[in-house]
Amino acid sequence: GENVEQHPSTLSVQEGDSAVIKCTYSDSASNYFPWYKQELGKGPQLIIDIRSNVGEKKDQRIAVTLNKTAKHFSLHITETQPEDSAVYFCAAIQAGTALIFGKGTTLSVSS
Amino acid sequence: GAGVSQSPRYKVAKRGQDVALRCDPISGHVSLFWYQQALGQGPEFLTYFQNEAQLDKSGLPSDRFFAERPEGSVSTLKIQRTQQEDSAVYLCASSLLPLNSVHEQYFGPGTRLTVT
Repeated sequence: GENVEQHPSTLSVQEGDSAVIKCTYSDSASNYFPWYKQELGKGPQLIIDIRSNVGEKKDQRIAVTLNKTAKHFSLHITETQPEDSAVYFCAAIQAGTALIFGKGTTLSVSS
Repeated sequence: GAGVSQSPRYKVAKRGQDVALRCDPISGHVSLFWYQQALGQGPEFLTYFQNEAQLDKSGLPSDRFFAERPEGSVSTLKIQRTQQEDSAVYLCASSLLPLNSVHEQYFGPGTRLTVT
């Protein structure tokens, strides 16, 4: 079955800096890769996603890149703000299966 | 519009008690998922419904766990004879399309279950 590895487990940046979180997956059949942001006491919130027929997708300060050959995908947050502080999860899925999540990255943005 | 809602938000149960957790998905969403999230971990799949049909229950950890979605909307996850290892956040997610059409999943706030 699918296995998703996520790095780093914790990430501390200064406000205004960029943050990058990386994930690798094992099953080449996976074709949809969402990223979720989870704040304390809340459920995961979908922030951006990418499908396997696209190499990069951007939405304001966040972007996701996908390298199908290497089976890895990354989340990029630019101009970080204190409100970006949260736990971020990557996930992978293929048709007919459930989301498989990474273990999460705790992002801390200090002002 | 209204998102996925779950109740109760917090539940404390004594070991051996039965609990029932409720999920109200986004209206019109065909797919409904239950996940279990241990402290400091990512969510792990428990079970999947397409409308009222439970098509995958491969993630349920034991036969003490039971889920239903009788009318294809609201779902209930029931845990019988709770054990301490059942302590976790139980998340519900819904998706507009069936699982064979990969689509965005939207999560509720979760129910934090503590078994004492």
